[in-house]
Order: sequence, then C-alpha cells, then structure tokens
Amino acid sequence: AQSVTQLDSHVSVSEGTPVLLRCNYSSSYSPSLFWYVQHPNKGLQLLLKYTSAATLVKGINGFEAEFKKSETSFHLTKPSAHMSDAAEYFCVVSRMDTGRRALTFGSGTRLQVQP
Amino acid sequence: DSGVTQTPKHLITATGQRVTLRCSPRSGDLSVYWYQQSLDQGLQFLIQYYNGEERAKGNILERFSAQQFPDLHSELNLSSLELGDSALYFCASSVDPAAYEQYFGPGTRLTVT
Repeated sequence: AQSVTQLDSHVSVSEGTPVLLRCNYSSSYSPSLFWYVQHPNKGLQLLLKYTSAATLVKGINGFEAEFKKSETSFHLTKPSAHMSDAAEYFCVVSRMDTGRRALTFGSGTRLQVQP
Repeated sequence: DSGVTQTPKHLITATGQRVTLRCSPRSGDLSVYWYQQSLDQGLQFLIQYYNGEERAKGNILERFSAQQFPDLHSELNLSSLELGDSALYFCASSVDPAAYEQYFGPGTRLTVT
C-alpha cells in the first residue's frame, strides 16, 4: 500500500521569501514521487519528479524537492516566492500496478503569496 | 497548455439526469485517465483506458461508465446523477500506461442541483 501526507493544508508567505511545502510518503516499494501544481480553474501541471536517480530534483519555475528516504519525505522548496506561485500543490506517490502507473494524490496544500 | 482538451468546461444539471463528458488526449498519447476532484474526497482516480481497452478501474461508481473510441478520444458517462456527484472531472493522458508523466486537461466542472 502507498499513501502520501501533506502536512499543511494552507501555507502563506510573502513575495520574495522562501517556500516550503511538506510531504511525507509511505510506500512498500521504492517510490516514484511527484509534485503537481493546480492554478485556479486550470488542470494539474507536473512540477517535478523523482524516479530513483538524483535525490535533489529540480523542476520548473525554480522549484526543487529533495527525496529523503530516512525521513520518508519529499518536501518542495523555492528560494523566493513570486505572486504567480499562488496555487494548490499536490504531492503524489506512484507505483506500478499490473503494468500501469497508479498515482496516489495527497490532499493538497494551498499556497498564498502576499505582496 | 497540456494539449489535452475537455468539453464542456461547465455543466449544470438536475438530479436524476445523465451527462457525457468528453476528452481528447494529447497527440500521440494512447492512454487516457479520468479523475474526480471533490472537496470532501480530494483527487480520486476513476478509470483508465489504453488504446481503446479498459486498463484499470479505481473508485468509479456503477452509475458511471466510460469508453475510448478508435480515434482515442474518451467519454465519461454519468447517470442517475446525485448532488454528491458535483465535482471537477479531469481527464489526463500519457503515451503509455507505464509513463511517469500524465498530462491533465483543464477539467469539466459538474454541478448537480
């Protein structure tokens, strides 16, 4: 079984300050992990993915995440928040299930960026 | 723009009715997925098709059905609608079922009154 827990439902930061969105996972196997972003009235977009290569993963728009097996964490960070980063972020764990990639989504973290 | 299109964007209907949601995958993608996003249940996988064949089922109700046509577009049919079916329905596509990345459409917002 696999699951993912996003530790904060809402995070508020000021523009120009660092962003930290926390995610812990549980998986019986070596997981693949993703972060997706959903802007208002838009579909989900893949920000970055970890697939058992480098543990520090860089994504689009300056985001990165570090896979820490000992802590079962995959936190998303960005050094300096921009107003356009305001959105909902989903941490996702995936596994192969009978030849298909099954995704399990976290409950989401809403990021608010204050001017 | 992911390249996945969904129609309609919004749908308002009454309880007991039936609706059809349509999805066109990205060019070249053979696998289509349907997800439901609601406030109480979050994002849930409903069903997956690959090259016209059903590949996997998730938390899909018996009142719901889907198919993928030879041109690879997919339709999700929702019948005997209930208030609790109000949600955002996403379609996603990938090149094959094992692909890491799924590309999501903008969604169809269904409101059942």
